[in-house]
Amino acid sequence: EDQVTQSPEALRLQEGESSSLNCSYTVSGLRGLFWYRQDPGKGPEFLFTLYSAGEEKEKERLKATLTKKESFLHITAPKPEDSATYLCAVQASSSASKIIFGSGTRLSIRP
Amino acid sequence: EAQVTQNPRYLITVTGKKLTVTCSQNMNHEYMSWYRQDPGLGLRQIYYSMNVEVTDKGDVPEGYKVSRKEKRNFPLILESPSPNQTSLYFCASSFGQGAETQYFGPGTRLLVL
Repeated sequence: EDQVTQSPEALRLQEGESSSLNCSYTVSGLRGLFWYRQDPGKGPEFLFTLYSAGEEKEKERLKATLTKKESFLHITAPKPEDSATYLCAVQASSSASKIIFGSGTRLSIRP
Repeated sequence: EAQVTQNPRYLITVTGKKLTVTCSQNMNHEYMSWYRQDPGLGLRQIYYSMNVEVTDKGDVPEGYKVSRKEKRNFPLILESPSPNQTSLYFCASSFGQGAETQYFGPGTRLLVL
């Protein structure tokens, strides 16, 4: 069964304190892995798509990496405005266009 | 402005009273999808559509119906709502078959009494 697990559930950091969020996945053939940011009361906002192991993408203080079993979202020198819930999702090549989300990591950055 | 719109944004209803949540996108996207979001369970896909007249079940389709008669619209229908369908619902759209960027609507918060 296709599955996505994110850890930790919640993470509190001091401003400037770098860290990583984890997304472990089990799929029968990966078509794509996606990272989204969600602010309270709003819809998720797309960040990155990764397609194959070894791929990396960056955007401002965020960097996403992908291996055959997991993806990491690295946050370098975060600011309070980076506080949000970060969601990981996968699309398996075997299940047409179904998309499976993890339950998210709630990130809080203290000034 | 490129966007996905949902209506209504908030809805309180009673068990068994049929309701429809509308979703519309102005980006000419082929792929549209409905999700529900519940605390601790994350986003779960209800139904998706790869194009007009093509729909398929996601992970939690029970109690829901959808239709895709036009490319821009993808309404979610609850024929006989029950309290366990109380949730936050999101519509999303993207080019291609969903592997590309999904744009999400603002959400519809539903309470079924």
